[in-house]
Amino acid sequence: NAGVTQTPKFHILKIGQSMTLQCTQDMNHNYMYWYRQDPGMGLKLIYYSVGAGITDKGEVPNGYNVSRSTTEDFPLRLELAAPSQTSVYFCASSYSSDQPQHFGDGTRLSIL
Amino acid sequence: KQEVTQIPAALSVPEGENLVLNCSFTDSAIYNLQWFRQDPGKGLTSLLLIQSSQREQTSGRLNASLDKSSGRSTLYIAASQPGDSATYLCAGETDSWGKLQFGAGTQVVVTP
Repeated sequence: NAGVTQTPKFHILKIGQSMTLQCTQDMNHNYMYWYRQDPGMGLKLIYYSVGAGITDKGEVPNGYNVSRSTTEDFPLRLELAAPSQTSVYFCASSYSSDQPQHFGDGTRLSIL
Repeated sequence: KQEVTQIPAALSVPEGENLVLNCSFTDSAIYNLQWFRQDPGKGLTSLLLIQSSQREQTSGRLNASLDKSSGRSTLYIAASQPGDSATYLCAGETDSWGKLQFGAGTQVVVTP
């Protein structure tokens, strides 16, 4: 059972570079979410999607973009990386809004 | 804006003691409340989800209560074991889209 798979697990990026964090789920979940977790803090919502073709901003969307062309995939794009985007990024999915969210193992991103 | 607070930030108990973890939230118009467990370097695992119409949920040694009027949820873990050592996070659902507002978590150490 793969669940929610995130790649890469670790990455170092230079300031000003761009990259895409990948997230895929095999549970046929409609809802998908991207969070970031900074040390000693709770998770903050970046973007979410309620189905293919539908995305919306969360609490901290600046500097990020998403797309949802299929039910399975929900990539997160960082444009012009900044040191403030150094964080652990988690992708999650759920069948509906009142069902538990399933999380991937995260991508640990450092921007230097 | 929903604010979620977890106190204490860290807790150490001897094996066999019952654990009581607290979560408070500012907006009583919460949809659902979820409790998660996070192991070091890992993603989050959903433990219990309490829907807004419920007052508690139970799973094995875990019991979670929800009191919307006082803005509090409590997670009880009976007869703690060293394997229960982890960080426990609570999250309130802020709207019908499943968007979660997380607390910073309580780090639990159960000593043999």
